[in-house]
Amino acid sequence: DQQVKQNSPSLSVQEGRISILNCDYTNSMFDYFLWYKKYPAEGPTFLISISSIKDKNEDGRFTVFLNKSAKHLSLHIVPSQPGDSAVYFCAAGGTSYGKLTFGQGTILTVHP
Amino acid sequence: DTGVSQDPRHKITKRGQNVTFRCDPISEHNRLYWYRQTLGQGPEFLTYFQNEAQLEKSRLLSDRFSAERPKGSFSTLEIQRTEQGDSAMYLCASSLDRVNQPQHFGDGTRLSIL
Repeated sequence: DQQVKQNSPSLSVQEGRISILNCDYTNSMFDYFLWYKKYPAEGPTFLISISSIKDKNEDGRFTVFLNKSAKHLSLHIVPSQPGDSAVYFCAAGGTSYGKLTFGQGTILTVHP
Repeated sequence: DTGVSQDPRHKITKRGQNVTFRCDPISEHNRLYWYRQTLGQGPEFLTYFQNEAQLEKSRLLSDRFSAERPKGSFSTLEIQRTEQGDSAMYLCASSLDRVNQPQHFGDGTRLSIL
């Protein structure tokens, strides 16, 4: 039972353009959502999070949007840079949970 | 700022052997988590501790797996009688014990079973 899904295995974007990564969840008890970036041979690095009381959170080039009614979140990276090329995971958790539930990941490639 | 540290980074062993991994969390973090990641998948939760208390274990954690955090600081994850299916990246994370705190991950221990 995949409670968090990233339906796009990969995304290719030109440098300077916007990257949009999507994530869907099914468990309505989730109330805290995060995005992580992972380079090969390294652990996931925390990027940005959002709680369910908000619908948008920004940190520099990264913005996360949450649509609770659709159980959908997205990560926007503007402008995209070649160093952003990595695997991106969305994760969900909440005040009722200690653990995080992760999606399968999306490989982002930013071309110079 | 010292991050989460895991040791060893790589472990190669024969099927049937026991292995033990260590995780040192960020010093002020009282929550510690273990996850497992296989190729093409996201990390899957195994277990977590708040201080020295183990609060939750996944059904993925068979009887061959045991985790400890004896003094509420570092943690160990032991796998007994390893099997081919145990080959994976084992990730440790830590966080503060407050609402909506992100978990910070180490670089993992890659286990290969021959």
